[in-house]
Amino acid sequence: EPEVTQTPSHQVTQMGQEVILRCVPISNHLYFYWYRQILGQKVEFLVSFYNNEISEKSEIFDDQFSVERPDGSNFTLKIRSTKLEDSAMYFCASSAGRAGYGYTFGSGTRLTVV
Amino acid sequence: KNEVEQSPQNLTAQEGEFITINCSYSVGISALHWLQQHPGGGIVSLFMLSSGKKKHGRLIATINIQEKHSSLHITASHPRDSAVYICAVRSENTGNQFYFGTGTSLTVIP
Repeated sequence: EPEVTQTPSHQVTQMGQEVILRCVPISNHLYFYWYRQILGQKVEFLVSFYNNEISEKSEIFDDQFSVERPDGSNFTLKIRSTKLEDSAMYFCASSAGRAGYGYTFGSGTRLTVV
Repeated sequence: KNEVEQSPQNLTAQEGEFITINCSYSVGISALHWLQQHPGGGIVSLFMLSSGKKKHGRLIATINIQEKHSSLHITASHPRDSAVYICAVRSENTGNQFYFGTGTSLTVIP
């Protein structure tokens, strides 16, 4: 069964550093998403991406964050100048169409900011 | 504001019991997603539905659009079913993103 792959599975970074979280969506999917889950809290939507641009973003997704699809297969989330409160599990997801067909989540990257 | 409420928050069952987890939401939706999260943190999609009922193995998901309510049932529960079960909804008025409930933590005792 096709999978959404996220790397690394766990990343530790110093406060103030930049991190890039990487995702390889399912190959024929066109819609891409990032979510995060702070420990003990619910999963929250960050951003959706379609046709090489952001289609929706939440109020969490401020100027500290950016997304990119640098080639035909990767989808990245960049966090500039990380803060302690950015520590969370970050999930990538992809779907085939706007109706959400085949909506699939990756296994997540646990980001720890120290 | 999209509110998704799940009940119960925590559930302990004996192996073999029939389990029901409930999800209520406050807005019109275009889809509802049931997901499973294991202690390692990864999320696995169980069902995505917009009407009626879906069944996969021992899992059954139902949705009542008029009542804004969905249930996830597990028949003949097993200790390996122990996980957090999460309901998430996609509003009919916004984009493709899902809004998540806080989850139901299920423990099945042998």
